Formats: sequence, C-alpha cells, structure tokens
Amino acid sequence: QQQVKQSPQSLIVQKGGISIINCAYENTAFDYFPWYQQFPGKGPALLIAIRPDVSEKKEGRFTISFNKSAKQFSLHIMDSQPGDSATYFCAASMRNDYKLSFGAGTTVTVRA
Amino acid sequence: KAGVTQTPRYLIKTRGQQVTLSCSPISGHRSVSWYQQTPGQGLQFLFEYFSETQRNKGNFPGRFSGRQFSNSRSEMNVSTLELGDSALYLCASREGGPQGEQFFGPGTRLTVL
Repeated sequence: QQQVKQSPQSLIVQKGGISIINCAYENTAFDYFPWYQQFPGKGPALLIAIRPDVSEKKEGRFTISFNKSAKQFSLHIMDSQPGDSATYFCAASMRNDYKLSFGAGTTVTVRA
Repeated sequence: KAGVTQTPRYLIKTRGQQVTLSCSPISGHRSVSWYQQTPGQGLQFLFEYFSETQRNKGNFPGRFSGRQFSNSRSEMNVSTLELGDSALYLCASREGGPQGEQFFGPGTRLTVL
C-alpha cells in the first residue's frame, strides 16, 4: 500500500500564482522527506528536502512546510512559472534505510 | 561529471521473454538503486546495491533480479515477462549514506506485448 499519500493528483495555476501540494504519512519512523520534480522523458530530480526537526525549509521559490504532529508535509511553489510545469513527487525514508517511499505524484500545469 | 546513464532507453518485448537493463552510475557513486514507475502504482523501489552487494529489496517477485559489478555499474533482469511489467525503470545513484541525494537516470521504457 502507498505509505505516503499525495494530493491533489493534478493542479492548474496561473503564472505568478502559488502551487500547493500536500503529503501525509503514517510511519513515524520516517525521518527524511524529499521532494522530486520530473519532466517528461526525464528521471526525477531532487528539488528540496526536510527533516522533522524543522518546520519549514525554503529554497528560492520552493518551500516545504512540515507538521510532525499531523504527520503531514507540503510543498509550496511561489510565483509559479511555466517552466515549473512538471510532475512533483513527495517521498519519505527511514534512518539508515536506502529505500524511498514515493507519493503518487502531482502534475502541475502553469498557464502563462 | 556525466549523469546516470541507462541503456537501452526503449525496449519492446513479448510475454514470457526476459530482459536485461543496464545502468552506469555517476563516477564515484557506489550505491545504485532501481525503481519501477507506472501510472497505476507510481514509483516503487525494486532494490539497492552497494559494492556489489544487495542491501535492500522491495516487494517484487523473484522474477526481478539485479547485480552490481566492481565498477559500480548495475544491471537488472526481469524473467518471464508479464504484461504488467510494462513500465519505466529508473536507476538512481548516490555517493553518500542512506539519505544522501539520489541522482536518477532518464529510465528505460519497457513495453511488454
């Protein structure tokens, strides 16, 4: 079963708008939460990652918010650009575990 | 540095055949992981190799196997192909420990007819 639940499945946002993708997990042993961006014909690429000892991490226009008590984390894409149109995956892994458990993915379309 | 390379990029096979996919990690990376990506199941972990040893295995049948060579290159093999094995197979390499950044290749698109 999916250990990381991701929503929405797809979203459309206007250029300059904010895209928000949410993920939830059950396994409290997870302690590393990366987000990946995938363009058609390419493999996923790491965008940003967070550990549960911080509640927010920002890199450029991308921000992860983390709520440990709710077992939820989200990706915010600020000032969305057409070049951000891609599929985004959240993921999680446990300490000393080499396996990533991925969410189902969210296809983001940014309209110019 | 060159990125992760996977060959072939596209493959068409028929049911019952077997297939071998190849992955060359980034130079200096000793860990190689394999993932299966399908529209229905998303990205699922197959296995991970480090220094020619399998360290972790996902929940796939024994028809899926892999190996790693002394130069860190890796292959995965799927025997007795089924229609449901049609997928994008992704290889990822990493340099450091379990939560070091993974770099993915472009994948091999396998179609089983």
